[in-house]
Amino acid sequence: GENVEQHPSTLSVQEGDSAVIKCTYSDSASNYFPWYKQELGKGPQLIIDIRSNVGEKKDQRIAVTLNKTAKHFSLHITETQPEDSAVYFCAASITGSSASKIIFGSGTRLSIRP
Amino acid sequence: ETGVTQTPRHLVMGMTNKKSLKCEQHLGHNAMYWYKQSAKKPLELMFVYNFKEQTENNSVPSRFSPECPNSSHLFLHLHTLQPEDSALYLCASSQDPSGGEETQYFGPGTRLLVL
Repeated sequence: GENVEQHPSTLSVQEGDSAVIKCTYSDSASNYFPWYKQELGKGPQLIIDIRSNVGEKKDQRIAVTLNKTAKHFSLHITETQPEDSAVYFCAASITGSSASKIIFGSGTRLSIRP
Repeated sequence: ETGVTQTPRHLVMGMTNKKSLKCEQHLGHNAMYWYKQSAKKPLELMFVYNFKEQTENNSVPSRFSPECPNSSHLFLHLHTLQPEDSALYLCASSQDPSGGEETQYFGPGTRLLVL
């Protein structure tokens, strides 16, 4: 089955700097890669996703890149702000099945230093 | 708010108790999910329901019993739990997995402590 590895487990960056979180997946059939942000006391919230037919997607300060050949994808946050502090999860799944089975990475705790 | 609500938000129970977790989605979705989130571990998928039918049981012990009476409501019945079952239990829903609408929307979770 699918296995998703996520690094680093913790990340601390200075406010205003960029943060990068990397993930690898094992099943070459995976074609949908969402990223979730989980703040304290809340459930994970989708922040951006990418499908295998594109290599990069950007939404304001957040961007995700996908390398299908190497089976890895990354989340980039630029101009980090205190509200970016949270746990971030990458995930991978195969769309079009009878039910969506998303496999999550183990999470990255991002801290933004003022 | 994501449109997915869970009650209770916190629960403390003894190993001999029986309790139920409730999830409700107001998004018109067809699929609902239970996940377990433990410290320093990835989110673990427990159960999947699609159009009220259970399509996935991820080798979950029988002390966890799901129920999906309709596409908007999902329950997790708990009995004779163990301390290692203490975790955050998250409910999620999605529109139509078979049609490629994969995005899952999560509720805030129920923080469970088993004594």
